[in-house]
Amino acid sequence: EAGVTQFPSHSVIEKGQTVTLRCDPISGHDNLYWYRRVMGKEIKFLLHFVKESKQDESGMPNNRFLAERTGGTYSTLKVQPAELEDSGVYFCASSQRQGVSSGANVLTFGAGSRLTVL
Amino acid sequence: GENVEQHPSTLSVQEGDSAVIKCTYSDSASNYFPWYKQELGKGPQLIIDIRSNVGEKKDQRIAVTLNKTAKHFSLHITETQPEDSAVYFCAAKNTNAGKSTFGDGTTLTVKP
Repeated sequence: EAGVTQFPSHSVIEKGQTVTLRCDPISGHDNLYWYRRVMGKEIKFLLHFVKESKQDESGMPNNRFLAERTGGTYSTLKVQPAELEDSGVYFCASSQRQGVSSGANVLTFGAGSRLTVL
Repeated sequence: GENVEQHPSTLSVQEGDSAVIKCTYSDSASNYFPWYKQELGKGPQLIIDIRSNVGEKKDQRIAVTLNKTAKHFSLHITETQPEDSAVYFCAAKNTNAGKSTFGDGTTLTVKP
């Protein structure tokens, strides 16, 4: 099966500009997560979709970040306006719906989108 | 919320030696503990996991141990090979909740 696809792989923008990251999860995976890794620190949770609904967005840093998952398929994460501290690698991961053996716990990650804000 | 600490941050071993990475967690509700390996240019990939009703799990050269009382778990890699070089992340999760909480990662280098 196709894996989790993220685009772009690398984006360099100036402070104040807007960037939109896209994630295509594994087909049929209800759960979609966004995570971020900054400067060699932990992979930090941002938010969790179940199909098209935001299940948990407690990790979103502030209202400059907007995530959507229209139709419960692909997801976008928009940063507007970008600040220097937003630089990092943004990972998307997906997993099966709850109740499918242990599939809901096993995350499949994309390769990440590296964001550099200058 | 859950807090996961991972040590060491970097680890260098000679090919054929063993490598051990340790993690502690804070939330006693966590009951699922996966380990992910991230190679250069790729996303983290699950290599082994353990649930709280099990103390140890093995898969060829990789093993994970869990001490629920002390809230710590460890990854053991035996007979290391250069292709084991990567960043390893531990994580903790409550299977009744959505998100996983990750450690800071350990950069393992296996010298030939």
